Amino acid sequence: AQSVTQLDSHVSVSEGTPVLLRCNYSSSYSPSLFWYVQHPNKGLQLLLKYTSAATLVKGINGFEAEFKKSETSFHLTKPSAHMSDAAEYFCVVIGSQGNLIFGKGTKLSVKP
Amino acid sequence: DTEVTQTPKHLVMGMTNKKSLKCEQHMGHRAMYWYKQKAKKPPELMFVYSYEKLSINESVPSRFSPECPNSSLLNLHLHALQPEDSALYLCASSQDGSFNPSSYNSPLHFGNGTRLTVT
Repeated sequence: AQSVTQLDSHVSVSEGTPVLLRCNYSSSYSPSLFWYVQHPNKGLQLLLKYTSAATLVKGINGFEAEFKKSETSFHLTKPSAHMSDAAEYFCVVIGSQGNLIFGKGTKLSVKP
Repeated sequence: DTEVTQTPKHLVMGMTNKKSLKCEQHMGHRAMYWYKQKAKKPPELMFVYSYEKLSINESVPSRFSPECPNSSLLNLHLHALQPEDSALYLCASSQDGSFNPSSYNSPLHFGNGTRLTVT
């Protein structure tokens, strides 16, 4: 069965410092993986997707993620955090019925 | 701005009311979804329509009734809800309507949701 585990429920960084949000996955086949962001009282916005092409995926707003099969990881990074990055982030894998399986989310706080 | 439009943004209803949530997309997407999201939790899948036919019902109570009048519209009819049904209801769409998980790479586009409060 497919699943994702987000290793941190809350990450706090200072503005201008790097961001690392961790996600491990489990899948019986080559997975499709996504990162979504949700700002307060908003819907979810796609940041980036991995679909077995390049292992380093670049997304919007300066985010990127690296697919590491040996570590079953798909961590999200950004070199320099901005106040507007404060939000909830979800790591997502495609399930066997094509449905999205969400991680529990990581809340990112950015301090001035 | 999102390309998936949900109305209303907020809805307060009593337990005996009947109301409907509406969702619209004009991207030519062939799959549409309803999700329920409680505070500080990830979205939970409720229903999936593929090519205007209901393909997934995640054992949702019958007080929630989905409808897909055409490929651009998705409704969720609500009747006799309970206070615990209060949540953010999210609509989403995706280009690919066929769910082959080993080749599926069509991301979901979400609306901003309807904040539902049941009193």
